[in-house]
Amino acid sequence: DTEVTQTPKHLVMGMTNKKSLKCEQHMGHRAMYWYKQKAKKPPELMFVYSYEKLSINESVPSRFSPECPNSSLLNLHLHALQPEDSALYLCASSRSIRDRGTDTQYFGPGTRLTVL
Amino acid sequence: AQSVAQPEDQVNVAEGNPLTVKCTYSVSGNPYLFWYVQYPNRGLQFLLKYITGDNLVKGSYGFEAEFNKSQTSFHLKKPSALVSDSALYFCAVRDTKEGWSNDYKLSFGAGTTVTVRA
Repeated sequence: DTEVTQTPKHLVMGMTNKKSLKCEQHMGHRAMYWYKQKAKKPPELMFVYSYEKLSINESVPSRFSPECPNSSLLNLHLHALQPEDSALYLCASSRSIRDRGTDTQYFGPGTRLTVL
Repeated sequence: AQSVAQPEDQVNVAEGNPLTVKCTYSVSGNPYLFWYVQYPNRGLQFLLKYITGDNLVKGSYGFEAEFNKSQTSFHLKKPSALVSDSALYFCAVRDTKEGWSNDYKLSFGAGTTVTVRA
C-alpha cells in the first residue's frame, strides 16, 4: 500500500483565519514533505521532516507552520495567509531522505486552498 | 545543483500511436531520475525511476523510460497511448543543496502536458 491521505480536499479561508492541513501515511516512512503547487507548474518544496524532526525549511514565510506529531502524521498550520498563497498543497512521504536520496516519494491527492 | 529540462510544454498524439515525453538532465555524479504523472486536480503518481542497472526501465501503466548517458536523456515512452494517458508529466532528479549535509530533495522539470485524442 503506497497511500498518503490528506484532509481536507478543499479549503477556503479568509486572510485572518487559522486553519490546518493534515497528512497521514502508514507505510513506515520516516521522511515527510510539504509542497506547494500552482496550476500547471511543478511542485515547490516547502518543508521536509526526517525522523519527526524538521530537516529542511525552504525559506517559507512564518505564516506557514509545520508540525510532525508522530512518524505517521504531518500537519501544516496556516495563519494570516495572503491570496497569493492559494494553491494545491501536496504532502509526500518516502522511506528516508538520506541513503543516497534514491527512495521514491509518494504523494497524497493534495488540498486545494483558496485564500480570500 | 542538479536539474532536468522538459523541452516540450505540450505533446499531442492520437490514441494507439506511440507516446514519447522528453527529459534531459544535468548532474554532477550519478544521475537518479524519476517520472511522475499528475491527472487533473490530483496528486503526483510515481511511474518509474532510474538508479542504476539496465538503461530501459519499466514502470506503471505500460510506461517505460530509456536512460541515455551519452545524450543525458531520460525519455518516457509508451508504445500505444490511451485517451486516459492525457495528463501532466514531470521528470525529476535527485538533488541536494549546500548546507544540507546528507539530505536530498527532488528537483522537477517544468512539466509536459500530454493530450491523447480519440
